[in-house]
Amino acid sequence: SQQGEEDPQALSIQEGENATMNCSYKTSINNLQWYRQNSGRGLVHLILIRSNEREKHSGRLRVTLDTSKKSSSLLITASRAADTASYFCAPYYGNNRLAFGKGNQVVVIP
Amino acid sequence: ETGVTQSPTHLIKTRGQQVTLRCSSQSGHNTVSWYQQALGQGPQFIFQYYREEENGRGNFPPRFSGLQFPNYSSELNVNALELDDSALYLCASSSPGQGRTDTQYFGPGTRLTVL
Repeated sequence: SQQGEEDPQALSIQEGENATMNCSYKTSINNLQWYRQNSGRGLVHLILIRSNEREKHSGRLRVTLDTSKKSSSLLITASRAADTASYFCAPYYGNNRLAFGKGNQVVVIP
Repeated sequence: ETGVTQSPTHLIKTRGQQVTLRCSSQSGHNTVSWYQQALGQGPQFIFQYYREEENGRGNFPPRFSGLQFPNYSSELNVNALELDDSALYLCASSSPGQGRTDTQYFGPGTRLTVL
């Protein structure tokens, strides 16, 4: 399967702490995207990192990509209760589709 | 808000029935993709439409079909519904300026329950 695989699948942290999620994939990608989903509703695009990029920042989010290890990580700094959601990585292989993993459930405790 | 809308929000059908789900893409986007998300799973790609033509299909049977209209809105049709079709159906539109799939903007989804 070309789907991304997130690790850990569930994470519970205190407000103010950092949350780190990892994603692994199988073959060479064009880019990798991270999405957030609240309560089983629509997905919100967080960040896209291209295969020739190693790190990208957006607000409190930091994404890294290691193409040699076929892995990516998403770091949320200074977490807030509103960050409670499911986070999905989605490798894009250039075949017109995003290959979502099963997601990572993050709970931020106030 | 992404500007992508879907209707209806919720739908209950019985096995064997047919269903049509609708999606309006974000202004300026000419590509619409459909995904199925079962409970506790990630979204699975169904198919994509680009300028009214199917432009890629996932591992879904032919009873899943779609259309894209000249205004780039789209429909997903599912015939002969099965219990396993119960899921959240998501559509996503993308901007031609960024490539057909580089960033996808998702609608809120349609929750389909098959009894």
